[in-house]
Amino acid sequence: GAGVSQSPSNKVTEKGKDVELRCDPISGHTALYWYRQSLGQGLEFLIYFQGNSAPDKSGLPSDRFSAERTGGSVSTLTIQRTQQEDSAVYLCASSLLGHDQETQYFGPGTRLLVL
Amino acid sequence: AQKITQTQPGMFVQEKEAVTLDCTYDTSDQSYGLFWYKQPSSGEMIFLIYQGSYDEQNATEGRYSLNFQKARKSANLVISASQLGDSAMYFCAMREPYTGGFKTIFGAGTRLFVKA
Repeated sequence: GAGVSQSPSNKVTEKGKDVELRCDPISGHTALYWYRQSLGQGLEFLIYFQGNSAPDKSGLPSDRFSAERTGGSVSTLTIQRTQQEDSAVYLCASSLLGHDQETQYFGPGTRLLVL
Repeated sequence: AQKITQTQPGMFVQEKEAVTLDCTYDTSDQSYGLFWYKQPSSGEMIFLIYQGSYDEQNATEGRYSLNFQKARKSANLVISASQLGDSAMYFCAMREPYTGGFKTIFGAGTRLFVKA
């Protein structure tokens, strides 16, 4: 079946503008994760959704970041008033039940460049 | 505190030889999962292998094996018979409990270069 998809694949924006990044998880997967990968770095965990439960937002880097997941499926990560340090690849992953031994399947990422 | 440590920023290996990528982790949990992912230049994250903390045998997946030494908290990835297509970034990761579920912590990665 289809894997995790993300859109847009690339986004260039001006400092101060808002951006929305979208993630479509694998159908039937209840757990969804957002990560950020800065150039040449590992992945930084941002937020995690399990079903319809309210997520813990403490991993988000600042209050300019927010995320929601509608209907337990599609998720959007919104960055308000973007800054140059927000430039990174934003990766989304999903897993079936969110258990500790489950493999996460990653999307191709959205490459964000803030000028 | 660093939870996942990959001490080799870059590694070279000759094609057809084996290579070991190091990973140590830090956790006080008894139940955890360890993962290795490959990230080629295209940017996608590809799952390679998984080791559960209670698994007594080292995990193997084709040319990949995980040398799990629980007492030393190490989970090294061994790639046998390296191929040119193995050139990529490799990330070690650990699943740990998080509010309402689990999150995955990634190491900084090791860039592997396979020489012809």
